Amino acid sequence: DIVMTQGALPNPVPSGESASITCQSSKSLLHSNGKTYLNWYLQRPGQSPQLLIYWMSTRASGVSDRFSGSGSGTDFTLKISSVEAEDVGVYYCQQFLEYPRTFGAGTKLELK
Amino acid sequence: QVTLKESGPGILQPSQTLSLTCSFSGFSLSTSGICVSWIRQPSGKGLEWLATICWEDSKGYNPSLKNRLTISKDTSNNQAFLKITSVDTADTAIYYCARSITTEGINFDYWGQGVMVTVSS
Repeated sequence: DIVMTQGALPNPVPSGESASITCQSSKSLLHSNGKTYLNWYLQRPGQSPQLLIYWMSTRASGVSDRFSGSGSGTDFTLKISSVEAEDVGVYYCQQFLEYPRTFGAGTKLELK
Repeated sequence: QVTLKESGPGILQPSQTLSLTCSFSGFSLSTSGICVSWIRQPSGKGLEWLATICWEDSKGYNPSLKNRLTISKDTSNNQAFLKITSVDTADTAIYYCARSITTEGINFDYWGQGVMVTVSS
């Protein structure tokens, strides 16, 4: 199985500051088609997860441009510029290169 | 408008079989590239992918659940199903279903609200 390892945030994050969440995969998620099969989700308190980023850097429909994804085949970063109250929750990275689909353990963002 | 909604028994006893239904609208499981998956989340913990079924009836299962899972679909009625046999307290969780569009690389773009399942004697 591909293991996804997420980094922690130095919580709480001051409102208006930027925050970066890291994720590392145990195997390259770069497909032969040139796409990197890495997603980012946000789960706000009491809600279902929401897709933020797919293919490592493509924002999902309706997602604020304050969210951006970047990385290589095994090391990834989700950057949130100018953190707002609505960004509070747990962020998950997930690979969909192969079965079983695997998630990181989650990174909690708290607001100051 | 895409929506998904999970339903289940709420509470069941250890060793019983858990049967879950995902009822959806706004898309069809007969459309090329469409898949529906089941994901669960124990209280206060992370997300665990369980199984996926796709338009052409291909399936994927989490091997950690050791052949306890069966996923199926009813395309005519826009439903997907998951059965988990021999449940125990470790299966207590919120169970979600979610859609994917594999041809566009979009995974889990819409989720249901989740259904709470408690396994207790």
